[in-house]
Amino acid sequence: GQQVMQIPQYQHVQEGEDFTTYCNSSTTLSNIQWYKQRPGGHPVFLIQLVKSGEVKKQKRLTFQFGEAKKNSSLHITATQTTDVGTYFCAGGYNAGNNRKLIWGLGTSLAVNP
Amino acid sequence: NAGVMQNPRHLVRRRGQEARLRCSPMKGHSHVYWYRQLPEEGLKFMVYLQKENIIDESGMPKERFSAEFPKEGPSILRIQQVVRGDSAAYFCASSPPNRVDGYTFGSGTRLTVV
Repeated sequence: GQQVMQIPQYQHVQEGEDFTTYCNSSTTLSNIQWYKQRPGGHPVFLIQLVKSGEVKKQKRLTFQFGEAKKNSSLHITATQTTDVGTYFCAGGYNAGNNRKLIWGLGTSLAVNP
Repeated sequence: NAGVMQNPRHLVRRRGQEARLRCSPMKGHSHVYWYRQLPEEGLKFMVYLQKENIIDESGMPKERFSAEFPKEGPSILRIQQVVRGDSAAYFCASSPPNRVDGYTFGSGTRLTVV
């Protein structure tokens, strides 16, 4: 079945350092979405990538979708303490009427001030 | 435009009781998804519903768990005869009918079974 692997599971950085989390799918994705969950909170949608090789930026966050549409990354430049949380990727597959996403297990980011 | 509303926020049940979790999707959203999350773990898909239809329930335990999304009213996730292992955060999310877009999540229901 479809699987989405996300690494690393945990990342601890000093404030100001960069951070990257990676997602890999066992099969080709139709789209990939990224979410952030703050400690004690709920997941919040960040972005969706649809096109092969797509790159999108949101301030210090850069999202990439691989050429083969099987992998994706989220890069944060110069982390801040407000970036703390768990980042999830979720892959969509062409499955007719089924819009269920396959979720990675998330990368928990801790930032030392 | 109110977001996804879940209630209650916290629910305490004794073993053997029933738990009913409610979710009202965003206005205009007709797709609802339920997820379970244990502390320090990822999101586990449970069920995907549209109005009056279950589209995918592959993540639902075969016994004690059921979900519905009636024509009128909120979606309900029902857990019968709760056990300690059911203690978790249950999140509901919704998405619009006519395009593939990000999910909007509710704040979740924290279920504690004592």
